Amino acid sequence: AQKVTQAQTEISVVEKEDVTLDCVYETRDTTYYLFWYKQPPSGELVFLIRRNSFDEQNEISGRYSWNFQKSTSSFNFTITASQVVDSAVYFCGLNAGKSTFGDGTTLTVKP
Amino acid sequence: EAGVAQSPRYKIIEKRQSVAFWCNPISGHATLYWYQQILGQGPKLLIQFQNNGVVDDSQLPKDRFSAERLKGVDSTLKIQPAKLEDSAVYLCASSLAAVVQETQYFGPGTRLLVL
Repeated sequence: AQKVTQAQTEISVVEKEDVTLDCVYETRDTTYYLFWYKQPPSGELVFLIRRNSFDEQNEISGRYSWNFQKSTSSFNFTITASQVVDSAVYFCGLNAGKSTFGDGTTLTVKP
Repeated sequence: EAGVAQSPRYKIIEKRQSVAFWCNPISGHATLYWYQQILGQGPKLLIQFQNNGVVDDSQLPKDRFSAERLKGVDSTLKIQPAKLEDSAVYLCASSLAAVVQETQYFGPGTRLLVL
């Protein structure tokens, strides 16, 4: 069975602060993919990143960075210098044949 | 390139009524998914199609939910009869192929309220 836990239900920061969204997963599969999606108020899920289980290199894309640690089964997401437009629900997930999503973290960035 | 299209965007029905949702995936995408997203939760996979065949429907409540993808393109998801707990957003997604590394692209969803 697969499980994804996003322990932080809601996070509120002030613009320009850095913020990290935590994601912990469980799977018995050795080959799997982890991913993050953003769901803005409009409701449509927007793909952010996908990582395979054999690639533990951290990734940076602009103000976004991801830290994958297999030893702790975590795939955390950091937004540097947050902006109001980053306000959304962020979902972490796992795919080892079927996609499983966490319940999301609602991020509010205040001006 | 056009994204995943869904209709209607909103639907309000009374319990025990029937409802149907439509999805048109991205052109060329062989795999189509239907998810249910209850308020405050992440999307839950209901059914996955590869072309017009079912790959996984283990979480589809088959006593009331049905889905089809007759020509391997568009798909419809039906609920008959609806229950109060079916109130949710129904998301359709598509990907090029049914392999774990393929990115799923989501439509805007259909928001269903059952009264």
